[in-house]
Amino acid sequence: QKEVEQDPGPLSVPEGAIVSLNCTYSNSAFQYFMWYRQYSRKGPELLMYTYSSGNKEDGRFTAQVDKSSKYISLFIRDSQPSDSATYLCAMRGSYIPTFGRGTSLIVHP
Amino acid sequence: EAQVTQNPRYLITVTGKKLTVTCSQNMNHEYMSWYRQDPGLGLRQIYYSMNVEVTDKGDVPEGYKVSRKEKRNFPLILESPSPNQTSLYFCASSSATSGTRSYNEQFFGPGTRLTVL
Repeated sequence: QKEVEQDPGPLSVPEGAIVSLNCTYSNSAFQYFMWYRQYSRKGPELLMYTYSSGNKEDGRFTAQVDKSSKYISLFIRDSQPSDSATYLCAMRGSYIPTFGRGTSLIVHP
Repeated sequence: EAQVTQNPRYLITVTGKKLTVTCSQNMNHEYMSWYRQDPGLGLRQIYYSMNVEVTDKGDVPEGYKVSRKEKRNFPLILESPSPNQTSLYFCASSSATSGTRSYNEQFFGPGTRLTVL
């Protein structure tokens, strides 16, 4: 079993939809949970990070961490075509982050 | 502009011909790392460096070498490339993590697409 599992998709939604992206993990030592967005032919960019459990909101984006279930989510409200990208979850306990495979999101007009 | 640069962006080479991919950051970051990204496998860390002259293996170090002689530069060396090293490579940097609640964003370079024939 991989330490971090993430469904690669693709996930295709209409503009305006609420998008839910998820990852599960197995390592209890993970404390930092991140979401990166990667556009085609670009490097990943940090979107949000959370320390330990709880929710964090930033505009249309909400990150949730449930350490008891070892499950993290990223919600995108009012999705836009410009949100079309690959979203990678990442998590770490000490220095070395472990990335999920990434979920490809397509938001069509 | 704060950035991580990589060169070259695209490279096609042949098996066994030594190559170096350069990485440079202008943010005075202590931490630098190299990843490869392959379809279905995601980002996997090759090597990382906590500071000058301090390097360590990541998850997939076989066939790669690195050096960190200066803080801003972290070249990736493939002494004898093989076709299974065909991949998209990313360099990343961040300021040193410290404390139990701090997180320092990793900045990624634009990527180097390497093809080994």
